[in-house]
Amino acid sequence: EIVMTQSPATLSVSPGERATLSCRASQSVSSNLAWYQQSRGQAPRLLIYGASTRATGIPARFSGSGSGTEFTLTISGLQSEDFAIYYCQQSNNWLSFGQGTKVEIK
Amino acid sequence: QLQLQESGPGLVKPSETLSLTCSVSGGSISNSTYYWGWVRQPPGRGLEWIGSVLYTGSSYYNPSLASRLTVSVDTSRNQFSLKLSSVTAADTAVYYCARPLRPSSLNVFDVWGQGTLVTVSS
Repeated sequence: EIVMTQSPATLSVSPGERATLSCRASQSVSSNLAWYQQSRGQAPRLLIYGASTRATGIPARFSGSGSGTEFTLTISGLQSEDFAIYYCQQSNNWLSFGQGTKVEIK
Repeated sequence: QLQLQESGPGLVKPSETLSLTCSVSGGSISNSTYYWGWVRQPPGRGLEWIGSVLYTGSSYYNPSLASRLTVSVDTSRNQFSLKLSSVTAADTAVYYCARPLRPSSLNVFDVWGQGTLVTVSS
């Protein structure tokens, strides 16, 4: 089983600033890494797949990078609707998710 | 527009079997090679992949749940289903059904149902 570890658990950011979220895999997942956003009471929404490709309709302020075991999601110019929980997911070997990073208003 | 909707009992007794169905509208399960999936989320916690099924019945299960899990498909009703046996309080969660972005493999999910809360309690 590939274990996904996200950091930090909580990130406090002011609106308009940049947020940088990390995800580490216990073994290489190549570029088979996705990011999801989950707002309270909602289903997850796919943001990024293939480590760096934005899903349909996702604003350009969301960007992903990395390969192998280290990945980053960057949100530039945080807007009010971006304060949510973010999960990474690998699909290289079965499917597994990280435990999430909560982005909260500073 | 593809839509998924979960349905089933919201309360299940310990040791019994949890059964859920996902109804698909706006697209046909049997006209595609997607591995339709189930994901759950315990209250206040993260996401866990449960299993995925193709219209042929071919399936993949999370190894940690495989001994208790059956995921099946009913193409005539355009539905797929989840059965989890011998449930405990640890199986209390919001259960989502979802469709992956690409066909023919396990991969990321881009279409999700709204989720349904299942509580395991006597």
